[in-house]
Amino acid sequence: NAGVTQTPKFRILKIGQSMTLQCAQDMNHNYMYWYRQDPGMGLKLIYYSVGAGITDKGEVPNGYNVSRSTTEDFPLRLELAAPSQTSVYFCASSDTRDEQYFGPGTRLTVT
Amino acid sequence: AQSVTQLDSQVPVFEEAPVELRCNYSSSVSVYLFWYVQYPNQGLQLLLKYLSGSTLVKGINGFEAEFNKSQTSFHLRKPSVHISDTAEYFCAVRTIGGNNRKLIWGLGTSLAVNP
Repeated sequence: NAGVTQTPKFRILKIGQSMTLQCAQDMNHNYMYWYRQDPGMGLKLIYYSVGAGITDKGEVPNGYNVSRSTTEDFPLRLELAAPSQTSVYFCASSDTRDEQYFGPGTRLTVT
Repeated sequence: AQSVTQLDSQVPVFEEAPVELRCNYSSSVSVYLFWYVQYPNQGLQLLLKYLSGSTLVKGINGFEAEFNKSQTSFHLRKPSVHISDTAEYFCAVRTIGGNNRKLIWGLGTSLAVNP
C-alpha cells in the first residue's frame, strides 16, 4: 500500500493563478480531509468528505473547492491564488477506526 | 463547541530525561482523544488514542498518555527521551457520535531533545 499520496510536493504560484492539489489513497477509506498548516497555527480543516460524492466545508473553506468523484481521489482546487494561501497542505484519510493517515504534504508559495 | 489547549508551545529537554506534554480539552459531550506526531518535513502520524477502557494508553515509541476526565486532560509522557523524539506533537479530540469524524486540533508542542 502506498497509503496517502499527494502531488506536487512543492509549487510556486503567482497571484491570481489557479491550481489543483492532488490527493489519492489506496486504503479504501470513506473519510478524507484537506488541512492547511501555518507556523504556530496548528492544522486548519479546509474541506472534508464522508464518501464519494459527498463533501462539506471545514473551518477555512474560502478560496478553495473540492470534489470527490471516487473513493480514492480527493483533489483540492485553488482558484485565484492569494498570498494568504501560502501554506503547507495536508491530505488525510480515515476509516471507522478513527486513525487519520496523512500524506507527505504540498508546500505552496503564492507570490 | 469543543476546543483543545496545548499548554506549552515549546519544550526543551535533555536526552534520557523524562518529558510531559500537556493537553487540556473543553467539551460538553464525551470525546475521543488522540496524540499525533509530526517529524520535520513529514506528515502527521498517530502516536496513541483513547476511545474507551483503561485511562492509561500506551502508544508507539515508548509514549503513553493518561485520560483524566475530571480535569479534562490527556497529557503525553515518556520516561526517557531520545534525540529522535524531536518533533511537533499535536493533541486532538473528536466528539463521540456523528458521521464526519472531524478532529479538533491543538496548536502543537515543539519538543526539542538536546544531547
